[in-house]
Amino acid sequence: QQQVKQSPQSLIVQKGGISIINCAYENTAFDYFPWYQQFPGKGPALLIAIRPDVSEKKEGRFTISFNKSAKQFSLHIMDSQPGDSATYFCAAKTSGSRLTFGEGTQLTVNP
Amino acid sequence: GAGVSQSPRYKVTKRGQDVALRCDPISGHVSLYWYRQALGQGPEFLTYFNYEAQQDKSGLPNDRFSAERPEGSISTLTIQRTEQRDSAMYRCASSRRWADTGELFFGEGSRLTVL
Repeated sequence: QQQVKQSPQSLIVQKGGISIINCAYENTAFDYFPWYQQFPGKGPALLIAIRPDVSEKKEGRFTISFNKSAKQFSLHIMDSQPGDSATYFCAAKTSGSRLTFGEGTQLTVNP
Repeated sequence: GAGVSQSPRYKVTKRGQDVALRCDPISGHVSLYWYRQALGQGPEFLTYFNYEAQQDKSGLPNDRFSAERPEGSISTLTIQRTEQRDSAMYRCASSRRWADTGELFFGEGSRLTVL
């Protein structure tokens, strides 16, 4: 079964701190790993994504670290801000375009 | 339109009734996806289309669920003989082509409540 396991379920961080969300997968056919950000009442929106031949990708304060041998990847949010408070979903895609999402992490950044 | 548009935004129906949920994708987007999202969970794949062709419907829970996209643009997800367990947020997403970059543009969803 294609599954993506995400942790933690919820995370509280102080402003300026680092938020770290982890995901693990089993299916080696996954070829693309996006992270989506979802605000209340809105649909998920693409935040950052990585391919499995790259170990790290950074865009501004957001970094994906990817460990292919361990089949794990993580999202790091540096200098977390209250505006980053949202639900974050990791996902994985097969060549057939189907995205499999993790269970989500509700991030709260306190001022 | 500027984004993916879904209607109705909210639908309350009685068990046993049929419902139709509509999705209007971003203009020019080739691929269209339907997902279901339970409260506090990630979106769960239902089906997707390239143009008018349904490419994968393996995520549809049972034969009460069907989807169509007859002209390669607007899509309708139909649930027949609704049951309480069908209550969820139904999300539509579209992409420029068959999402080789994994970027889907999601609508704000249709929340279905089956009484």
